[in-house]
Amino acid sequence: DTAVSQTPKYLVTQMGNDKSIKCEQNLGHDTMYWYKQDSKKFLKIMFSYNNKELIINETVPNRFSPKSPDKAHLNLHINSLELGDSAVYFCASSQDGAADVGNSPLHFGNGTRLTVT
Amino acid sequence: GENVEQHPSTLSVQEGDSAVIKCTYSDSASNYFPWYKQELGKRPQLIIDIRSNVGEKKDQRIAVTLNKTAKHFSLHITETQPEDSAVYFCAAGTGNQFYFGTGTSLTVIP
Repeated sequence: DTAVSQTPKYLVTQMGNDKSIKCEQNLGHDTMYWYKQDSKKFLKIMFSYNNKELIINETVPNRFSPKSPDKAHLNLHINSLELGDSAVYFCASSQDGAADVGNSPLHFGNGTRLTVT
Repeated sequence: GENVEQHPSTLSVQEGDSAVIKCTYSDSASNYFPWYKQELGKRPQLIIDIRSNVGEKKDQRIAVTLNKTAKHFSLHITETQPEDSAVYFCAAGTGNQFYFGTGTSLTVIP
């Protein structure tokens, strides 16, 4: 029973297209994230959502828009895809903790490999 | 935001030897330091973590140390095995803000 699941696993598309990646977590976690991993394996946070509120947006182009219909889902929509968007996108979630305890670790999905041609 | 630096970027060791990966962070408010292992084509998975109220934590062959004053933390793997070969990421943060290091590609030579 997959804790954090994202679809599709592979996505090949042409420049200029619009695409979405879906993510669902069944852990009951409060916060969900999107990370981008480029060809050099750098893991860069793009967004996080806590109780349907965006709390981080790390200099990501506005072509990328996260959409969270509920606490268990955080989808990523990308407009006007560019070659540089090719990467692996990971969804993740964590459980909020008390201030003195801190949050739970990140649980990652299996990733979506996006290739823009 | 937090800036996490990680060294080395690549590391090769003989099977049975130890491997050490070091990270530094910039934000003194960071209080949570997890380490993730990512095998080729797979998702990052937590292998060990440490919070700022602890200086060292060990789990079998894996240990992590934290020096809050110097703002650095390290991962130690003893008695390395070929299955330890992977990319390892350190991270630092507070609450639900995690920032990753640039990764270390570890190769264990049989």
